[in-house]
Amino acid sequence: NAGVTQTPKFQVLKTGQSMTLQCAQDMNHEYMSWYRQDPGMGLRLIHYSVGAGITDQGEVPNGYNVSRSTTEDFPLRLLSAAPSQTSVYFCASSPVEAGELFFGEGSRLTVL
Amino acid sequence: EDKVVQSPLSLVVHEGDTVTLNCSYEVTNFRSLLWYKQEKKAPTFLFMLTSSGIEKKSGRLSSILDKKELFSILNITATQTGDSAVYLCAVDNYGQNFVFGPGTRLSVLP
Repeated sequence: NAGVTQTPKFQVLKTGQSMTLQCAQDMNHEYMSWYRQDPGMGLRLIHYSVGAGITDQGEVPNGYNVSRSTTEDFPLRLLSAAPSQTSVYFCASSPVEAGELFFGEGSRLTVL
Repeated sequence: EDKVVQSPLSLVVHEGDTVTLNCSYEVTNFRSLLWYKQEKKAPTFLFMLTSSGIEKKSGRLSSILDKKELFSILNITATQTGDSAVYLCAVDNYGQNFVFGPGTRLSVLP
C-alpha cells in the first residue's frame, strides 16, 4: 500500500551541484507531476506527464528536467542548483479519469 | 492563463465558530475542483466536485460548486483546534494539469 514514494526526504546542496529527486507510484496512474511549495505561494507546477514518454512544462520549469520512461517513475533533476530552488517539493499522481491527486510525503531541499 | 484564487488568505477564529472559505477559478478545460487540507506535511484530500449545485459533506465539512459562476465554497461548522491548517483549492484542467490556489491559512483558537 505504498502509494506515491519520494526520496530523499531532506537534502542540502551547494550552489552549482546537481541532484535527482526520485518519485515512484504503484497505482498505475498515467498522470504524474512535480510541484514546489514556497511560503505563501501554494503549490506551483514544475513539470507533468500524462503517460510514459510524454512530459510537459508547468508554471515554473526553469532549472529542472524530467523524464518518464516507465509508468511508475518520474524523477526530477536539478541541473545546477541555485538558492532560489530552496523549497519543499511534492510529487503527485492521478488516474487518467477524473480523480484526486495523490501526493508523496515531500522532499525538503536547501541550496546553500 | 489558468488561475485559481482563494479568499481569505488567512483567517483566525475561535473554537465553535463556522467558517466559509472561497475559491474561484478560470481554466481552459474544467473537469473537477478539489479541496485539500494541509497541515505539516503533504496535502490530504477532502472533496472532489464535478457537478454544480450538489453538496458534498463529510462530518462538519461541506462543499459546493457553482460552475456557472466559477466558484466553490468550503464550509466548516463548529470548528475545532484540529481544523487549523492550510486549505488548498485545485482545479483539474482536464487531466493536463492541476492548478492550485495559494491556500487559506485557518487558525482556530481554543
